[in-house]
Amino acid sequence: SQTIHQWPATLVQPVGSPLSLECTVEGTSNPNLYWYRQAAGRGLQLLFYSVGIGQISSEVPQNLSASRPQDRQFILSSKKLLLSDSGFYLCAWSVLFVTGELFFGEGSRLTVL
Amino acid sequence: TQLLEQSPQFLSIQEGENLTVYCNSSSVFSSLQWYRQEPGEGPVLLVTVVTGGEVKKLKRLTFQFGDARKDSSLHITAAQPGDTGLYLCAGPLNNNAGNMLTFGGGTRLMVKP
Repeated sequence: SQTIHQWPATLVQPVGSPLSLECTVEGTSNPNLYWYRQAAGRGLQLLFYSVGIGQISSEVPQNLSASRPQDRQFILSSKKLLLSDSGFYLCAWSVLFVTGELFFGEGSRLTVL
Repeated sequence: TQLLEQSPQFLSIQEGENLTVYCNSSSVFSSLQWYRQEPGEGPVLLVTVVTGGEVKKLKRLTFQFGDARKDSSLHITAAQPGDTGLYLCAGPLNNNAGNMLTFGGGTRLMVKP
């Protein structure tokens, strides 16, 4: 069966510090991978998506970047965090070109102070 | 302005009551999905509806897809405290990269014992 894990679960970082959130998927090959951000328990905002190794598309210009160094690994990064980067970050995967159902990781709560 | 509008945004009811939440759009979707998210966790897929007029039942939950495929509803019968959570609807935006989901703003449901 397929599983997805992301870490760390909770992170408190000072403004201006770097960020690295990691996500891995097991049990499937060549998945679509996504990073979403969720503010205050509301809807999800798509940040980045990837359809293959090294292929990253950004939906929202911002202080963050994403990379996909391996087929089932997706990383969200920042060189210098802003207060506005605080939020709940979710990694997800889906099967390419099917109905698009997403399977989410456990989420990472980022607080920038 | 979100492509998918959910209502109500918040709903607090007593155990045993029935409720309906709505997901509306001016756009036609090939399918719509419903997710439930508990605090501090990632959303979990409940159901996908794909045919206009379709009704799907999942125990006490009934999902309906509008005839024109622009709206969906979720009806819960005899709500229980375990139904508490954030309910999100989502629909695919097909593009050159495959399937990406756009999410509604969510309905936060609290069922009091």
